[in-house]
Amino acid sequence: EVQLVQSGAELKKPGESLKISCKTSGHIFTSYWIGWVRQMPGKGLEWMGIIYPGDSDTRYSASFQGHVTISADKASSTVYLQWSSLEASDTAMYFCARHRRPIYGTGDPFDVWGRGTEVIVSS
Amino acid sequence: ENVLTQSPGTLSLSPGERATLSCRASKSVSNSYLAWYQQKPGQPPRLLIYDVSRRATGIPDRFSGSGSGTDFTLTISRLEPEDSAVYYCQNYGSSWGTFGQGTKVELK
Repeated sequence: EVQLVQSGAELKKPGESLKISCKTSGHIFTSYWIGWVRQMPGKGLEWMGIIYPGDSDTRYSASFQGHVTISADKASSTVYLQWSSLEASDTAMYFCARHRRPIYGTGDPFDVWGRGTEVIVSS
Repeated sequence: ENVLTQSPGTLSLSPGERATLSCRASKSVSNSYLAWYQQKPGQPPRLLIYDVSRRATGIPDRFSGSGSGTDFTLTISRLEPEDSAVYYCQNYGSSWGTFGQGTKVELK
């Protein structure tokens, strides 16, 4: 069974850094694009970016480029989302999710999702 | 990037009725790269439909997708109580994957 297990909720202050994780199992880690999706409180879904762990090829939405960094660690089959300086507007639920098809190009829907990591940024 | 507009914002129907949800794109969707997701409170989204009309694994056949170009529809043929949720469409393309703003389906 394919599983994406996300790290726990975080409470941070503005200006702090943060790295949240998404540990995958049950599939060939290096063969599937993994993405991150933001959901602000009471709002809809926003596609942030994706990474192909096989070669760390990473693509970002223009809305998030430069504000977050997506990375992957083959040794632990884990994908990360990190911020160097959080803002209050980063308060949201963050989901990681896997593309449906292996090796396929960057255009694919997400068929397996993590349960989400809640990030609260407040002074 | 393709902007997706979903309508209506909220749909209030009774069990057994038919639900028709719309997703309109600002530009033509290429390669039929259009998906639908269902999200219930406190849960991650679940993939229902991909490539416009293909049902994902384990999705009941009362869910169906159709459309082409810029206009797409998710139809739930006979609503069940567990279908109460927010439904999102997504256009996935090369290096991006925009979502619509969602349609909430409420059961009376």
